[in-house]
Amino acid sequence: GAVVSQHPSWVICKSGTSVKIECRSLDFQATTMFWYRQFPKQSLMLMATSNEGSKATYEQGVEKDKFLINHASLTLSTLTVTSAHPEDSSFYICSAAPPHGGENSPLHFGNGTRLTVT
Amino acid sequence: AQSVSQHNHHVILSEAASLELGCNYSYGGTVNLFWYVQYPGQHLQLLLKYFSGDPLVKGIKGFEAEFIKSKFSFNLRKPSVQWSDTAEYFCAVSKFGNEKLTFGTGTRLTIIP
Repeated sequence: GAVVSQHPSWVICKSGTSVKIECRSLDFQATTMFWYRQFPKQSLMLMATSNEGSKATYEQGVEKDKFLINHASLTLSTLTVTSAHPEDSSFYICSAAPPHGGENSPLHFGNGTRLTVT
Repeated sequence: AQSVSQHNHHVILSEAASLELGCNYSYGGTVNLFWYVQYPGQHLQLLLKYFSGDPLVKGIKGFEAEFIKSKFSFNLRKPSVQWSDTAEYFCAVSKFGNEKLTFGTGTRLTIIP
């Protein structure tokens, strides 16, 4: 069964509104979660690393004020797409690994959220 | 910055055929290597991984991959595919000691019964 739950699975919103996507680790506490974005027929691109209790680390080219990340607890990270525009339409995927990582703690991925901005 | 190349975008095979999907990466340091599979409508699942040791890695569902350091490659293989192997396959790389993954563009595998 899924160990990382992502909600919602899909969302349609109007341009200019904000959308929040939740990522929960179900079987373990995750001090670190990752947010990826996948465009059609393209690879997953890492957007940011979500750190529990501290600011997220954004990859180059990702606007931190546009994609707000909150990791308020050890089992929940949220990604808020603010003032969404049609070009933000994409597939957003989160992942998490149990603490004390290493080769015996692979990343687990959520099912992804399909965002469509009209 | 590291990058990952998957040269086969869409592969179509008949059941029982042998499979090899290419994966090459560009990074000169020590890496961890992964193959993930995404079945239609499902989340990414780990097929196998290489961290160290034997470069021939065996994963779930009869898949294996071989790390060839001199070629910067980590090709995925399966001797006899099944219809249920129809899925999208992603190769991924991370720097040693870092959990951030860089993914390839994926290879869609279609198995014809």
